[in-house]
Amino acid sequence: DTGVSQNPRHKITKRGQNVTFRCDPISEHNRLYWYRQTLGQGPEFLTYFQNEAQLEKSRLLSDRFSAERPKGSFSTLEIQRTEQGDSAMYLCASRLTGFTEAFFGQGTRLTVV
Amino acid sequence: QKEVEQDPGPLSVPEGAIVSLNCTYSNSAFQYFMWYRQYSRKGPELLMYTYSSGNKEDGRFTAQVDKSSKYISLFIRDSQPSDSATYLCAMSDVLASQGGSEKLVFGKGMKLTVNP
Repeated sequence: DTGVSQNPRHKITKRGQNVTFRCDPISEHNRLYWYRQTLGQGPEFLTYFQNEAQLEKSRLLSDRFSAERPKGSFSTLEIQRTEQGDSAMYLCASRLTGFTEAFFGQGTRLTVV
Repeated sequence: QKEVEQDPGPLSVPEGAIVSLNCTYSNSAFQYFMWYRQYSRKGPELLMYTYSSGNKEDGRFTAQVDKSSKYISLFIRDSQPSDSATYLCAMSDVLASQGGSEKLVFGKGMKLTVNP
């Protein structure tokens, strides 16, 4: 399977714990995006990378959130000191620069208890 | 007011019906318009995209964009039970070559059920 891969698919964590998600984009795609989707809502943009550079962060991305894309390959999204409001589906998408299709992964569903 | 408004439904239709899904938007910078389909607990998958105003047809699906009214539509002809999913409209502004991020702004999504 050469699509966008996200791990883990599900994560249950206790409030206050740190969690990290991983996204492996389609190999030749230079742009990588993170979105968050809560129940009954559409995905909301969090941040994006062009190669290894993080070029934009949404105001939704509080100081507890950090994302990296070392060497412009896979990306990680870390949430520190999780809160119940962080419970959501975290989606990763990748694409080539220049308006082409953005391919989404299956998402990581986070539940904070 | 949200940048993109979409009636979340839900919408239930019989098999074979014509389905009309709509979104309105407020940001006149949007130039690229997309419809995504999302099955339960899956990531969105692109159905159709259009640039600027006009119509685009792909099989049973037709996308329409009216930039003057800031209104986009997706029509599904001869709807099938396999079309049951959540349909999300999404929009984007300028290309990366023009300094844009190409990030997508989504509507809430409309849950569609096509009954056999």
